Amino acid sequence: SYELTQALSVSAALGQTARIPCGGDNVGSRDVHWYQQKPGQAPVLVIYRDNMRPSGIPERFSGSSSGDAATLTISRVQVGDEADYYCQVWHSNSVLFGGGTKLTVL
Amino acid sequence: EVQLVESGGGLVQPGRSLRLSCEVSGFTFDDYGMHWVRQVPGKGLEWVAGISSTSTSIIYADSVKGRFTISRDNAQNSLYLQMNSLRLEDTALYYCARDLEMSVTDAFDIWGQGTVVTVSS
Repeated sequence: SYELTQALSVSAALGQTARIPCGGDNVGSRDVHWYQQKPGQAPVLVIYRDNMRPSGIPERFSGSSSGDAATLTISRVQVGDEADYYCQVWHSNSVLFGGGTKLTVL
Repeated sequence: EVQLVESGGGLVQPGRSLRLSCEVSGFTFDDYGMHWVRQVPGKGLEWVAGISSTSTSIIYADSVKGRFTISRDNAQNSLYLQMNSLRLEDTALYYCARDLEMSVTDAFDIWGQGTVVTVSS
């Protein structure tokens, strides 16, 4: 069965760049979506179809996807970016989420 | 304002049933596919079921297939999840979420705040 693999945690220094990977077999051939979830809150879509930003999401958030890896990149990381991040794809008549990555801002 | 409001959660014994509802407002409901997603506290997101705008496409996660039924009433701007034969492992916070498109294959751009389902004897 198809799986999306995410690191349990990623850290980045304040003001630097955070890169959150999402691995999957040929994930680059699929549309990858990314969600941010802060404690006690519902998820928020931050990137859809690999690299599209919904309205209201800062330009600091970007996405890329190629081969077996997709990446969510957050530039100029802020304290408010600390959250869990999930990747998601559509596969074989099903929706799959990665296990989630906790971003810590140092 | 676009809004999704879930209700119907609660405490239920294993083997019993529960029906969740999601009332939407602020957008044309029958222009969008809809989904249910659940999350055990402290764990990740698990997609449960999806339904296209006209109910022609309905899909389920293997973990709930045959036990849960997703449906919608476009006239009432409401989404439902009928949950039968509930198991301990169905305990979670259940979110309804809107698909970007009329289908069930795109990203989820709007989420409700969730309703808690606890299955326990």
